[in-house]
Amino acid sequence: RKEVEQDPGPFNVPEGATVAFNCTYSNSASQSFFWYRQDCRKEPKLLMSVYSSGNEDGRFTAQLNRASQYISLLIRDSKLSDSATYLCVVNCGRYGGSQGNLIFGKGTKLSVKP
Amino acid sequence: DAGITQSPRHKVTETGTPVTLRCHQTENHRYMYWYRQDPGHGLRLIHYSYGVKDTDKGEVSDGYSVSRSKTEDFLLTLESATSSQTSVYFCAISEQGSVTEAFFGQGTRLTVV
Repeated sequence: RKEVEQDPGPFNVPEGATVAFNCTYSNSASQSFFWYRQDCRKEPKLLMSVYSSGNEDGRFTAQLNRASQYISLLIRDSKLSDSATYLCVVNCGRYGGSQGNLIFGKGTKLSVKP
Repeated sequence: DAGITQSPRHKVTETGTPVTLRCHQTENHRYMYWYRQDPGHGLRLIHYSYGVKDTDKGEVSDGYSVSRSKTEDFLLTLESATSSQTSVYFCAISEQGSVTEAFFGQGTRLTVV
């Protein structure tokens, strides 16, 4: 099983749609979870961290289920500017903690159409 | 935006030549990383550093070496470039390692012909 797996996509949705991305991770010792966004030919940028209690930032909601080792990202009222690749990121490694590594999923491409 | 600068931004080199990519940060973050990104593979960790002169291997370290003689600089060297090392290389920094978010440089597009 790959360390971080995401929906392969691509997701093609109309403006205003709600879209959900899912991600699973294999290392039960992982402590930190993030969603990054990457625009075409650009560097990844942090979208939001994911907390155990779930967290929301405007139209974006992230949830974590440690028991199922599952992370989700929900985008409501999608905009043309949301078109990008969304990367699920989890920390893991033989040391855990700060000296672990961030492992990136392969990403899910979202295309929002007018 | 975090102060991370990668140089060069684009490079074409010939097979068998040595190549060094530079990452410079102005944030004084302890942790620095080199990733490569390829279609179908996503971002993969090459090497990382958790302090001056402290480095460790990542998932795809073969053919690469790194050095960190100062907090602000992290160098990635391809000793003898091969076509399989054609990729986009990203440097990243993090204040507290993998428990906190990483900030990325703009990337270096390397083509080995």
